[in-house]
Amino acid sequence: QVQLVQSGAEVKKPGSSVKVSCKASGGTFNTYCISWVRQAPGQGLEWMGGIIPLFGTADYAQKFQDRVTITADESTSTTYMELSSLKAEDTAVFYCARGPVGTDFYDTNGYPVYFNSWGQGTLVTVSS
Amino acid sequence: EIVLTQSPGTLSLSPGERATLSCRASQSVKSRSLAWHQQKPGQAPRLLIYGASNRATGIPDRFSGSGSGTDFTLTISRLEPEDSAVYFCQQYDDSPMYTFGRGTKLEIK
Repeated sequence: QVQLVQSGAEVKKPGSSVKVSCKASGGTFNTYCISWVRQAPGQGLEWMGGIIPLFGTADYAQKFQDRVTITADESTSTTYMELSSLKAEDTAVFYCARGPVGTDFYDTNGYPVYFNSWGQGTLVTVSS
Repeated sequence: EIVLTQSPGTLSLSPGERATLSCRASQSVKSRSLAWHQQKPGQAPRLLIYGASNRATGIPDRFSGSGSGTDFTLTISRLEPEDSAVYFCQQYDDSPMYTFGRGTKLEIK
């Protein structure tokens, strides 16, 4: 099973941007989709978007489409999520997540129907 | 967007009892696209059930999933103290888009 290791906690000012990384190890990188999920304090989970590194283009949830950019670096097996125009309400833990090895339980566009590997989470605090 | 509604919000049970957690979808969900995750405080979610009824690797057989269409259930039999956690259901549609329920908090008395 792949391991996902994320970058450390960040404190940002309102209006600024944050870039969180997620490094994969222990498996094939470029053909498996990496998604990003946000969890505000005491709240549920929200899918922000995902990328299949081999294809290089990302898909985004409509709610985050205008402010999030997801990229991947195949040379380092690392995926990045950048969120701009930060607001206090963006204070949250951000997770990267991936689906299972193999082709079962994947959609025709390469997205897994479930996540079985999660990063440890990165806390982003937005405060003036 | 498919909305998942979980009930109850909080469940308080004793060790050895059975927990029944519900997840209702606003429209029909493919069974292969319904999963359950467990999250303990300060930890990342952990996959329990995929494809509505398949246990993930290493998950005890006390955990079982069932359901189809718009109604899905996670059952935990013979509760243990370590089962205290928040449980989320999750679905995928072809947009691509994932949605999660708001979770059921399970407390073991």
